Amino acid sequence: AQTVTQSQPEMSVQEAETVTLSCTYDTSENNYYLFWYKQPPSRQMILVIRQEAYKQQNATENRFSVNFQKAAKSFSLKISDSQLGDTAMYFCAFMKQGAQKLVFGQGTRLTINP
Amino acid sequence: DTAVSQTPKYLVTQMGNDKSIKCEQNLGHDTMYWYKQDSKKFLKIMFSYNNKELIINETVPNRFSPKSPDKAHLNLHINSLELGDSAVYFCASSLRGQQETQYFGPGTRLLVL
Repeated sequence: AQTVTQSQPEMSVQEAETVTLSCTYDTSENNYYLFWYKQPPSRQMILVIRQEAYKQQNATENRFSVNFQKAAKSFSLKISDSQLGDTAMYFCAFMKQGAQKLVFGQGTRLTINP
Repeated sequence: DTAVSQTPKYLVTQMGNDKSIKCEQNLGHDTMYWYKQDSKKFLKIMFSYNNKELIINETVPNRFSPKSPDKAHLNLHINSLELGDSAVYFCASSLRGQQETQYFGPGTRLLVL
């Protein structure tokens, strides 16, 4: 069974700083997807960024980028120029290719301070 | 033009009652899911349906019964509610063949007293 581990329960940075959230996963699969979801206080689950395991290039979405290390089974999220609106729970998630279920990590509560 | 909607958003009820949560998507998707987020914020899949057919049932107690009347709806009925059922329940949907792109509803917070 796949597992996803986020070792940082909470993080806090100043506005405009760069922050990196860690995620490691365990799988014997070769083809899979990795995701970062954001859950603000509104509770809505918002997809931030997605990475296909077969792609060597790291995914980027505006201020959000990932560092995908397949051999190390590591998938960290970097938020540049952090904004107050980035304050949220962030979940790392895994999905085996062809499967239907997302497997989530425990989440990291990120606070951006003014 | 809400993509995935859930009703109600909040549900407070007594132990032993039976309750339902409704989910509807207007994205034309044919796969729908229920996830549960517990008090520690841990999210885990409960069920998935493809075109009204149950695909995933993740060892959920049989007090939980999903029902899909059509591709656009997936309701969750819970019998004999227990304190441990208190959680946020999320509905999600995707296109078959693009399951990796799941769109989540706003969640239903259930509190069992």
